[in-house]
Amino acid sequence: DTAVSQTPKYLVTQMGNDKSIKCEQNLGHDTMYWYKQDSKKFLKIMFSYNNKELIINETVPNRFSPKSPDKAHLNLHINSLELGDSAVYFCASSGTFDAEAFFGQGTRLTVV
Amino acid sequence: GNSVTQMEGPVTLSEEAFLTINCTYTATGYPSLFWYVQYPGEGLQLLLKATKADDKGSNKGFEATYRKETTSFHLEKGSVQVSDSAVYFCALLTNAGKSTFGDGTTLTVKP
Repeated sequence: DTAVSQTPKYLVTQMGNDKSIKCEQNLGHDTMYWYKQDSKKFLKIMFSYNNKELIINETVPNRFSPKSPDKAHLNLHINSLELGDSAVYFCASSGTFDAEAFFGQGTRLTVV
Repeated sequence: GNSVTQMEGPVTLSEEAFLTINCTYTATGYPSLFWYVQYPGEGLQLLLKATKADDKGSNKGFEATYRKETTSFHLEKGSVQVSDSAVYFCALLTNAGKSTFGDGTTLTVKP
């Protein structure tokens, strides 16, 4: 069973579109995250949720909006996509906000 | 703010060579320290961790010791294999839940 699963795995879309990436974890974890990894493999945290509440919101454009309908899900919605949004987006979860993270397989977003 | 600095890559080694990837950090308080590994096309996986000074994390032949005096957490393996080829990330996590990752070091092991 996949512990942290995100869909879709690949997403190719045009500039200006709105898209969503879904994430689900079946580990019973309280904390979930979104990370962005650029083409040079640099990894940066975007958001962190603990028990459906936002606890970390790094400096990302407000075109990015996370939504946590319940503790097991954290979706990422992106409005008005730009070329610079092309990256691999990773969802992750941890048992508590100060424990190691379990990562999903990533969603490769390409904006054309 | 917090920061993690790790050895720049890429690193290329022959099979059975000794591996060291340096990692130093800056943080307030006493963070937990981690090494994650990312195999091609996959997400990151926890390789090992240490939560307090002088702790040694180990897994799959890899080791790292939390050195508070030098603010370091260097990754070592005595004999690398081709299957160890991956990107390695050093990371810290504060007790406020804030994580900071290094820039990653790409390791290629040749047969």
